[in-house]
Amino acid sequence: GEDVEQSLFLSVREGDSSVINCTYTDSSSTYLYWYKQEPGAGLQLLTYIFSNMDMKQDQRLTVLLNKKDKHLSLRIADTQTGDSAIYFCAERDDKIIFGKGTRLHILP
Amino acid sequence: DSGVTQTPKHLITATGQRVTLRCSPRSGDLSVYWYQQSLDQGLQFLIQYYNGEERAKGNILERFSAQQFPDLHSELNLSSLELGDSALYFCASSVDGTGTDTQYFGPGTRLTVL
Repeated sequence: GEDVEQSLFLSVREGDSSVINCTYTDSSSTYLYWYKQEPGAGLQLLTYIFSNMDMKQDQRLTVLLNKKDKHLSLRIADTQTGDSAIYFCAERDDKIIFGKGTRLHILP
Repeated sequence: DSGVTQTPKHLITATGQRVTLRCSPRSGDLSVYWYQQSLDQGLQFLIQYYNGEERAKGNILERFSAQQFPDLHSELNLSSLELGDSALYFCASSVDGTGTDTQYFGPGTRLTVL
């Protein structure tokens, strides 16, 4: 069945770049998303990419999509303490499937 | 504040009971989504409505049902509750429910089944 996998934890020093990776199985996915969830809050859409794109950049965020390998990544440049959160990768065709989330921890 | 409201914020009930969770979308949004977030299952998409009609269905159990009313608010009904139904239930809304449409999430309802 459809599945979205991501590593559960990432630790990065403040000021460095964070790269969060995700793999998915549904080749018919039309859209791929990255969401951010801060403690005690709902999800916030960070960015999305169409399945026919390779890259999308939005300020400090860069999304890379390798459709052949079904691999999606989110790069956060100049990581700040406010970036500490859980990041969810999701794919969508008719329904939306989320990964289990990657908890990003920022080291001083 | 996303503009999406959910009530109640917390709900504690017993196994076998039935509860109703309520969601009011952002003003102008026609589509509502329901999600369940639990430690073991992660975030699961349950169901989506657009302007009162069901648009997409995810991993929603038969014991669960939802509807969207003419004023666009939505209710998620959970019946014959089991311990495993304890989770955070999120509602989200978007303008037209398409793939590029930003979903705005509510603060969630935490359900505890004892």
